[in-house]
Amino acid sequence: AQSVTQLGSHVSVSEGALVLLRCNYSSSVPPYLFWYVQYPNQGLQLLLKYTTGATLVKGINGFEAEFKKSETSFHLTKPSAHMSDAAEYFCAVTASTGNMLTFGGGTRLMVKP
Amino acid sequence: DTAVSQTPKYLVTQMGNDKSIKCEQNLGHDTMYWYKQDSKKFLKIMFSYNNKELIINETVPNRFSPKSPDKAHLNLHINSLELGDSAVYFCASSQRTGINEQYFGPGTRLTVT
Repeated sequence: AQSVTQLGSHVSVSEGALVLLRCNYSSSVPPYLFWYVQYPNQGLQLLLKYTTGATLVKGINGFEAEFKKSETSFHLTKPSAHMSDAAEYFCAVTASTGNMLTFGGGTRLMVKP
Repeated sequence: DTAVSQTPKYLVTQMGNDKSIKCEQNLGHDTMYWYKQDSKKFLKIMFSYNNKELIINETVPNRFSPKSPDKAHLNLHINSLELGDSAVYFCASSQRTGINEQYFGPGTRLTVT
């Protein structure tokens, strides 16, 4: 079984500041990890994913995440926040043959001008 | 063209009614899913459906039944609606092989009164 914990249900940063959204996972088998973004009243859009290989993964809109097995973490970062980054962010894990995602509770990112 | 579409976008109904939500994907994917997002934004998998193989999340009440007329469609039928069924329901699809990105629909907001 897998589980995901996102530390901080709300994160507020100033425009231009570093964005750091935290995700820790639990999995009894090698995990596949994802970050999705949800803009208001919309569906989820994939930001990036880690399956195998390089542990630093780059995604869309300048986001990246690093898989750290020893820390069971997959934190999402962006060097400089934009107002348009304000949204809900979800970390997810799967390792099942059905490819069903287990999501964390989400983190709402707010960007202040 | 919309990759994953859902109808209706909003659904308001009374307790005890039966309702259906439709989902269609034009991505040629083999696997489709239904997720439920509650009022606290928590997302949970309900079903995974691939080539007539249904994988059910055991916590889903049997009042919920997915129906797939073909691999491009996965509808969700709900019997005897309850207040606790109020949520946003998301359909998603992915390629079957391996661990693949899931593409999400825009969601259907169900309100049971």
